[in-house]
Amino acid sequence: QKEVEQDPGPLSVPEGAIVSLNCTYSNSAFQYFMWYRQYSRKGPELLMYTYSSGNKEDGRFTAQVDKSSKYISLFIRDSQPSDSATYLCAMSVSPRGGYQKVTFGTGTKLQVIP
Amino acid sequence: DADVTQTPRNRITKTGKRIMLECSQTKGHDRMYWYRQDPGLGLRLIYYSFDVKDINKGEISDGYSVSRQAQAKFSLSLESAIPNQTALYFCATSEDSGSHQVDNEQFFGPGTRLTVL
Repeated sequence: QKEVEQDPGPLSVPEGAIVSLNCTYSNSAFQYFMWYRQYSRKGPELLMYTYSSGNKEDGRFTAQVDKSSKYISLFIRDSQPSDSATYLCAMSVSPRGGYQKVTFGTGTKLQVIP
Repeated sequence: DADVTQTPRNRITKTGKRIMLECSQTKGHDRMYWYRQDPGLGLRLIYYSFDVKDINKGEISDGYSVSRQAQAKFSLSLESAIPNQTALYFCATSEDSGSHQVDNEQFFGPGTRLTVL
Protein backbone atom coordinates (compact mmCIF):
# COMPACT_ATOMS: atom_id res chain seq x y z
CA GLN A 1 0.00 0.00 0.00
CA LYS A 2 1.30 3.43 -0.91
CA GLU A 3 1.75 5.91 1.92
CA VAL A 4 -0.25 8.48 -0.02
CA GLU A 5 -3.11 7.68 -2.41
CA GLN A 6 -4.51 10.14 -4.92
CA ASP A 7 -6.98 9.61 -7.72
CA PRO A 8 -5.17 10.41 -10.98
CA GLY A 9 -8.30 11.64 -12.75
CA PRO A 10 -8.61 13.25 -15.20
CA LEU A 11 -11.31 15.42 -13.72
CA SER A 12 -13.23 17.66 -16.12
CA VAL A 13 -15.51 20.40 -14.79
CA PRO A 14 -17.27 23.41 -16.33
CA GLU A 15 -15.98 26.88 -15.57
CA GLY A 16 -17.39 28.20 -12.31
CA ALA A 17 -17.80 24.78 -10.69
CA ILE A 18 -16.55 23.89 -7.24
CA VAL A 19 -13.75 21.37 -7.46
CA SER A 20 -12.83 18.89 -4.75
CA LEU A 21 -9.46 17.15 -4.88
CA ASN A 22 -8.56 14.54 -2.28
CA CYS A 23 -5.79 12.38 -0.87
CA THR A 24 -5.72 9.65 1.72
CA TYR A 25 -2.65 8.57 3.64
CA SER A 26 -1.60 5.78 5.93
CA ASN A 27 1.23 7.29 8.01
CA SER A 28 -0.34 8.81 11.12
CA ALA A 29 2.92 10.66 11.84
CA PHE A 30 2.38 13.09 8.96
CA GLN A 31 1.88 16.60 10.32
CA TYR A 32 2.50 18.91 7.37
CA PHE A 33 0.19 18.81 4.41
CA MET A 34 0.77 20.58 1.15
CA TRP A 35 -0.81 21.00 -2.25
CA TYR A 36 1.36 21.62 -5.28
CA ARG A 37 0.08 22.71 -8.67
CA GLN A 38 1.89 21.56 -11.80
CA TYR A 39 1.15 23.07 -15.17
CA SER A 40 2.01 21.14 -18.31
CA ARG A 41 5.76 21.19 -19.03
CA LYS A 42 6.48 22.94 -15.75
CA GLY A 43 7.73 21.96 -12.32
CA PRO A 44 5.35 21.76 -9.35
CA GLU A 45 4.80 24.93 -7.33
CA LEU A 46 3.49 25.15 -3.79
CA LEU A 47 -0.13 26.25 -3.65
CA MET A 48 -1.25 25.67 -0.06
CA TYR A 49 0.37 24.56 3.17
CA THR A 50 -1.30 23.45 6.41
CA TYR A 51 -0.08 22.10 9.70
CA SER A 52 -2.02 19.40 11.54
CA SER A 53 -5.83 19.40 11.27
CA GLY A 54 -8.26 22.08 10.23
CA ASN A 55 -8.95 24.37 7.32
CA LYS A 56 -6.92 27.03 5.60
CA GLU A 57 -8.31 29.43 3.04
CA ASP A 58 -6.46 31.45 0.42
CA GLY A 59 -8.65 33.25 -2.07
CA ARG A 60 -10.61 30.66 -4.07
CA PHE A 61 -8.65 27.79 -2.54
CA THR A 62 -9.38 25.96 0.71
CA ALA A 63 -7.22 23.18 2.12
CA GLN A 64 -8.79 20.84 4.64
CA VAL A 65 -7.11 18.21 6.80
CA ASP A 66 -8.88 15.49 8.76
CA LYS A 67 -6.17 13.61 10.64
CA SER A 68 -8.65 11.27 12.32
CA SER A 69 -9.67 9.97 8.90
CA LYS A 70 -6.21 10.44 7.33
CA TYR A 71 -7.83 12.45 4.57
CA ILE A 72 -6.96 15.80 3.04
CA SER A 73 -8.84 17.89 0.52
CA LEU A 74 -8.33 20.90 -1.70
CA PHE A 75 -11.41 22.84 -2.74
CA ILE A 76 -11.38 25.30 -5.61
CA ARG A 77 -14.33 27.71 -5.80
CA ASP A 78 -15.40 29.43 -9.01
CA SER A 79 -12.97 27.33 -11.01
CA GLN A 80 -11.30 28.99 -13.99
CA PRO A 81 -9.69 27.57 -17.14
CA SER A 82 -6.38 28.80 -15.74
CA ASP A 83 -6.82 26.29 -12.89
CA SER A 84 -6.35 23.46 -15.40
CA ALA A 85 -3.28 21.64 -14.14
CA THR A 86 -2.20 18.58 -12.20
CA TYR A 87 -2.57 18.92 -8.44
CA LEU A 88 -0.23 16.94 -6.20
CA CYS A 89 -0.75 16.47 -2.51
CA ALA A 90 2.37 16.16 -0.37
CA MET A 91 3.02 15.36 3.27
CA SER A 92 5.84 15.23 5.72
CA VAL A 93 6.72 14.38 9.29
CA SER A 94 8.76 16.83 11.29
CA PRO A 95 11.70 15.09 12.93
CA ARG A 96 13.95 17.21 15.05
CA GLY A 97 16.74 18.33 12.76
CA GLY A 98 17.78 16.52 9.64
CA TYR A 99 15.91 16.10 6.41
CA GLN A 100 12.15 16.06 6.31
CA LYS A 101 11.14 13.52 3.73
CA VAL A 102 8.28 14.82 1.65
CA THR A 103 5.97 12.13 0.28
CA PHE A 104 4.05 13.15 -2.82
CA GLY A 105 0.82 11.83 -4.21
CA THR A 106 0.71 10.85 -7.86
CA GLY A 107 -1.35 13.91 -8.81
CA THR A 108 -4.87 14.55 -10.10
CA LYS A 109 -5.21 16.12 -13.53
CA LEU A 110 -7.89 18.81 -13.60
CA GLN A 111 -9.40 20.37 -16.70
CA VAL A 112 -11.74 23.35 -16.40
CA ILE A 113 -13.79 23.76 -19.53
CA PRO A 114 -14.81 27.30 -20.56
CA ASP B 1 14.90 34.86 -15.10
CA ALA B 2 13.92 31.52 -13.60
CA ASP B 3 15.17 30.86 -10.07
CA VAL B 4 15.86 27.16 -10.72
CA THR B 5 17.08 26.15 -14.15
CA GLN B 6 17.74 22.73 -15.61
CA THR B 7 19.69 21.69 -18.67
CA PRO B 8 19.00 20.07 -21.01
CA ARG B 9 15.19 20.28 -21.13
CA ASN B 10 14.93 17.23 -23.32
CA ARG B 11 17.38 14.42 -24.01
CA ILE B 12 17.21 11.20 -25.96
CA THR B 13 20.03 8.75 -25.42
CA LYS B 14 20.87 5.09 -25.87
CA THR B 15 21.26 2.30 -23.37
CA GLY B 16 24.71 2.27 -21.79
CA LYS B 17 25.50 5.94 -22.36
CA ARG B 18 26.59 8.25 -19.56
CA ILE B 19 24.28 11.22 -19.09
CA MET B 20 24.57 14.31 -16.92
CA LEU B 21 21.67 16.55 -16.01
CA GLU B 22 22.51 19.92 -14.58
CA CYS B 23 20.70 22.20 -12.17
CA SER B 24 21.48 25.78 -11.19
CA GLN B 25 19.67 28.05 -8.75
CA THR B 26 19.76 31.73 -7.92
CA LYS B 27 17.58 31.50 -4.81
CA GLY B 28 20.55 31.24 -2.46
CA HIS B 29 19.15 28.06 -0.90
CA ASP B 30 21.42 25.53 0.74
CA ARG B 31 19.24 22.49 0.15
CA MET B 32 18.92 20.91 -3.26
CA TYR B 33 17.12 17.79 -4.45
CA TRP B 34 16.79 15.53 -7.48
CA TYR B 35 13.47 13.79 -8.15
CA ARG B 36 12.11 11.68 -10.94
CA GLN B 37 8.45 11.71 -11.92
CA ASP B 38 6.77 8.72 -13.52
CA PRO B 39 3.09 8.27 -14.40
CA GLY B 40 1.31 6.44 -11.60
CA LEU B 41 4.31 6.69 -9.29
CA GLY B 42 4.51 10.40 -8.64
CA LEU B 43 7.65 12.20 -7.53
CA ARG B 44 10.37 10.05 -6.00
CA LEU B 45 13.51 11.37 -4.38
CA ILE B 46 16.83 10.29 -5.89
CA TYR B 47 19.40 12.35 -3.96
CA TYR B 48 19.44 15.40 -1.75
CA SER B 49 22.12 17.76 -0.51
CA PHE B 50 22.06 20.04 2.52
CA ASP B 51 25.23 21.85 1.47
CA VAL B 52 28.29 21.34 -0.70
CA LYS B 53 29.78 18.73 1.65
CA ASP B 54 26.56 16.97 2.61
CA ILE B 55 25.03 14.61 0.05
CA ASN B 56 22.53 11.91 0.86
CA LYS B 57 20.78 9.11 -0.97
CA GLY B 58 17.06 9.26 -1.45
CA GLU B 59 14.66 6.40 -1.92
CA ILE B 60 15.77 5.40 -5.44
CA SER B 61 19.48 6.25 -5.78
CA ASP B 62 20.64 3.03 -7.49
CA GLY B 63 22.02 3.77 -10.95
CA TYR B 64 22.47 7.47 -10.21
CA SER B 65 25.21 9.66 -8.78
CA VAL B 66 25.36 13.36 -7.99
CA SER B 67 27.84 16.17 -7.62
CA ARG B 68 27.37 19.42 -5.71
CA GLN B 69 29.88 21.67 -7.39
CA ALA B 70 28.84 24.81 -5.53
CA GLN B 71 25.96 26.06 -3.44
CA ALA B 72 24.13 26.96 -6.64
CA LYS B 73 24.89 23.85 -8.73
CA PHE B 74 23.78 20.25 -8.32
CA SER B 75 24.29 17.71 -11.11
CA LEU B 76 22.74 14.28 -11.57
CA SER B 77 24.56 11.57 -13.54
CA LEU B 78 23.37 8.32 -14.98
CA GLU B 79 26.59 6.32 -15.33
CA SER B 80 25.13 3.76 -17.73
CA ALA B 81 21.61 4.67 -18.77
CA ILE B 82 18.93 2.00 -19.04
CA PRO B 83 15.41 2.23 -20.52
CA ASN B 84 13.62 2.17 -17.14
CA GLN B 85 15.38 5.45 -16.33
CA THR B 86 13.17 7.11 -18.92
CA ALA B 87 11.31 9.71 -16.90
CA LEU B 88 10.83 13.39 -16.15
CA TYR B 89 13.59 14.62 -13.82
CA PHE B 90 13.19 17.59 -11.51
CA CYS B 91 15.66 19.55 -9.48
CA ALA B 92 14.34 21.41 -6.45
CA THR B 93 15.65 23.70 -3.73
CA SER B 94 14.52 24.65 -0.26
CA GLU B 95 15.57 27.06 2.41
CA ASP B 96 17.22 25.94 5.62
CA SER B 97 15.73 28.55 7.88
CA GLY B 98 15.99 26.63 11.10
CA SER B 99 12.17 26.70 11.25
CA HIS B 100 10.70 23.30 10.43
CA GLN B 101 7.59 24.88 9.00
CA VAL B 102 9.39 26.73 6.21
CA ASP B 103 11.65 23.89 5.12
CA ASN B 104 8.77 22.03 3.54
CA GLU B 105 8.35 24.41 0.60
CA GLN B 106 10.42 23.20 -2.28
CA PHE B 107 11.00 25.23 -5.43
CA PHE B 108 11.16 23.13 -8.57
CA GLY B 109 12.91 23.64 -11.85
CA PRO B 110 11.10 23.13 -15.17
CA GLY B 111 12.25 19.52 -15.53
CA THR B 112 14.29 17.45 -17.97
CA ARG B 113 12.50 14.89 -20.07
CA LEU B 114 14.91 11.97 -20.53
CA THR B 115 14.31 9.09 -22.93
CA VAL B 116 16.61 6.09 -22.90
CA LEU B 117 16.26 3.89 -25.97
